[in-house]
Parts: sequence; C-alpha cells; structure tokens
Amino acid sequence: AQSVSQHNHHVILSEAASLELGCNYSYGGTVNLFWYVQYPGQHLQLLLKYFSGDPLVKGIKGFEAEFIKSKFSFNLRKPSVQWSDTAEYFCAVEGKLIFGQGTTLQVKP
Amino acid sequence: SAVISQKPSRDICQRGTSLTIQCQVDSQVTMMFWYRQQPGQSLTLIATANQGSEATYESGFVIDKFPISRPNLTFSTLTVSNMSPEDSSIYLCSVEGGTQYFGPGTRLLVL
Repeated sequence: AQSVSQHNHHVILSEAASLELGCNYSYGGTVNLFWYVQYPGQHLQLLLKYFSGDPLVKGIKGFEAEFIKSKFSFNLRKPSVQWSDTAEYFCAVEGKLIFGQGTTLQVKP
Repeated sequence: SAVISQKPSRDICQRGTSLTIQCQVDSQVTMMFWYRQQPGQSLTLIATANQGSEATYESGFVIDKFPISRPNLTFSTLTVSNMSPEDSSIYLCSVEGGTQYFGPGTRLLVL
C-alpha cells in the first residue's frame, strides 16, 4: 500500500535561512511525486512534481526537490526562505494521491 | 490548469442533518476526487467519482454516509449524511489534468 511520511511537523525558521523538509514514501511501483503548499486561508497549490527524468525538480517560488529512489525520498528545499513562505506543505504520491501529514512552516521576519 | 469552485464555502450544521457540497470545474474532466482534511491533519481521500459510474470509496468511507453524484464531466456533489461533530472538516474537490488541482474547500462545522 502507498504511504507518505513527512518527518517535520512544525518548522520555525528566520528569514534567509535554508529550508529542507523531509518526505519519504512507500510504494511498490513507478511513482509520481508532488509537493503542495497551502497558504493561510487559501487552497492547495502545486509547488512542483516529479514524474520521470532529472531527479532534481525545480518548482515555483524558488523551491526545488530531489527524488532519491534508493532512499524513497523526495525532500523539498529552498536556499533562502521568506516570511511569505509561511504555509503548510504537503508531500504526496500518486497512483491515488496519498498525502503526508503535512509540515507547518513558520518564517519569522 | 483547471479552475474549481465549491459551494458552500463554509457552513455550520446541526447534528443529524445532511449537507450537500457542490463542485464545479471550468473544463471537462474524467476523474474527480473528494478529500477530507480534519482539523490539524492531512488530506484523506474519500472517493473517486467518474462520470457515468458509481463512485469508488476508500477504506473507512461508505456510500450511505458520503453519497456522491457525478451527473456530467464538469460537476459533482458530495453529501455528508446524518452529520456528527466528528464530521467537522474541510472537504475538498479535486480534478486530474496532468496533475491534480484542488478546489478552495468547504469548511464544515457540525454542532
């Protein structure tokens, strides 16, 4: 069965700090992987996705994620966060879209 | 991309009543999905709704509690039946179009 695990439930960073959010998945077949973001009061938006090809995927707003098949991981990174990055971040894996528990990121100005 | 709207955006309901949530998409899509996001938790898939067939429910969700309609390729409804406070959640509609797009959600509070 598919499952997704996010290691960090609540992350607090200062502006300009680097960000890495962990995501591990369990799935027996070929995976499509996603990171979604939910800004306060807004609905889910796609940050980036991996289907195949280059395992380093670049998304919107300076985010990137690296698919490491041997580690079953798809960690989200950003070199320098901004206050506007404060949001809930969800890793997800397809067949049926299965979500991790989510990580709340709070960036202090 | 797909633009998805949901009605109502929020509601407060009494225990034992039912609420029907509407989902409208601006383009024709084959698969529509309904998710629930309980307070402080992640999204959980309730069911997949294909036009012209019965919805497929995930483990823990049943048709009697969450009946779904899919009358055409741009519209679906989810009914939360015989509500209890445990049904207080955000309910999200989603469609697949290369990737999955989400509606704004319906915030439901059951008293």
